[in-house]
Amino acid sequence: ETGVTQTPRHLVMGMTNKKSLKCEQHLGHNAMYWYKQSAKKPLELMFVYSLEERVENNSVPSRFSPECPNSSHLFLHLHTLQPEDSALYLCASSQGGSGADTQYFGPGTRLTVL
Amino acid sequence: GQNIDQPTEMTATEGAIVQINCTYQTSGFNGLFWYQQHAGEAPTFLSYNVLDGLEEKGRFSSFLSRSKGYSYLLLKELQMKDSASYLCAVMDSNYQLIWGAGTKLIIKP
Repeated sequence: ETGVTQTPRHLVMGMTNKKSLKCEQHLGHNAMYWYKQSAKKPLELMFVYSLEERVENNSVPSRFSPECPNSSHLFLHLHTLQPEDSALYLCASSQGGSGADTQYFGPGTRLTVL
Repeated sequence: GQNIDQPTEMTATEGAIVQINCTYQTSGFNGLFWYQQHAGEAPTFLSYNVLDGLEEKGRFSSFLSRSKGYSYLLLKELQMKDSASYLCAVMDSNYQLIWGAGTKLIIKP
């Protein structure tokens, strides 16, 4: 398996459910990212991890909880979501460290909150 | 505030040339990226410009003018498979990517 993978690809959940999104990168990168992509809007950066340490948290509601157990895996735990949280959730990775890095994306999880 | 502007949608004909513009206002500049995203798929990296000028990569070229806060992506010999959204993103002084909303390109036979 190569690149960045995400599971599940599609998820439908009720507002009271708890679910988790998984991301795995096979590129040997040190930084991983969660983005939210809504229709006709710019990508919104949610969280950044570098060497398993969270370095960015862009005022994301606490109903989204990230976890990075190692440099290859990233999770996004979801609980008591709202319908406006329905979107495509993209994971990305990059080499990390200082300087301008190219980010490589997974195919995303299409989340629908009922 | 930081802002990236690109057209929402463009239409072009198979075999033709199309230019997708991107203008930006950011806190600092550490390069500009173009990504391609087919519907339901991952954004894929196309190009990175940090110096002024044109970078050519096969049928795709990307141009940057830092003084004007302007870039364009030029696609030549358009093919149906080029139908996709094209995302412009600028890396600011904190090395954070600021994204445009994307340009949906429709190719007609």
